[in-house]
Amino acid sequence: SQQGEEDPQALSIQEGENATMNCSYKTSINNLQWYRQNSGRGLVHLILIRSNEREKHSGRLRVTLDTSKKSSSLLITASRAADTASYFCASRGSNYKLTFGKGTLLTVNP
Amino acid sequence: EAGVAQSPRYKIIEKRQSVAFWCNPISGHATLYWYQQILGQGPKLLIQFQNNGVVDDSQLPKDRFSAERLKGVDSTLKIQPAKLEDSAVYLCASSLDWEQPQHFGDGTRLSIL
Repeated sequence: SQQGEEDPQALSIQEGENATMNCSYKTSINNLQWYRQNSGRGLVHLILIRSNEREKHSGRLRVTLDTSKKSSSLLITASRAADTASYFCASRGSNYKLTFGKGTLLTVNP
Repeated sequence: EAGVAQSPRYKIIEKRQSVAFWCNPISGHATLYWYQQILGQGPKLLIQFQNNGVVDDSQLPKDRFSAERLKGVDSTLKIQPAKLEDSAVYLCASSLDWEQPQHFGDGTRLSIL
């Protein structure tokens, strides 16, 4: 079963705008990760945030985690056409397993 | 560093036939994963190896799917016999250990006729 659920399912924006994707999960976690998948390719790890962290930055990416609400958000600032991809959150619970959500399809229009 | 290699990239078979996928992980990565990704969904873990031992195969349909990791390096995933619902992309991933981020190959797209 898939623990994470991303929202929205699809997002279309213009180049230069910011993109925000949200993720909710069901059980307590050790960490939460975000991955990107370009069409026809494998997933690429973007960022990992641990359960005791609230915010993390990496380049144009900002991730927040609210364990009380069991939710996380991924913000991509100043988006580019090359950011067009599907974005997945993946939660690691008390066991070792990483459980992926259904993903958000982001389209950045030039 | 070389990435995770998978072959073939595409495979078309008829139902009830058998098929095998191959994965070569990143050198030195102890943990290897096979995922099934159905169109429009996130990856679902089928099996996880730590070196050449199975850590988790709870979601592997064992009546038709099998996997092995030879000498703790390469791995093969086999489906026999295939069903229509097995149409999906099969992704292999590896990581230094189970806590580290996973590195994915580009997958094998399987179509069942």
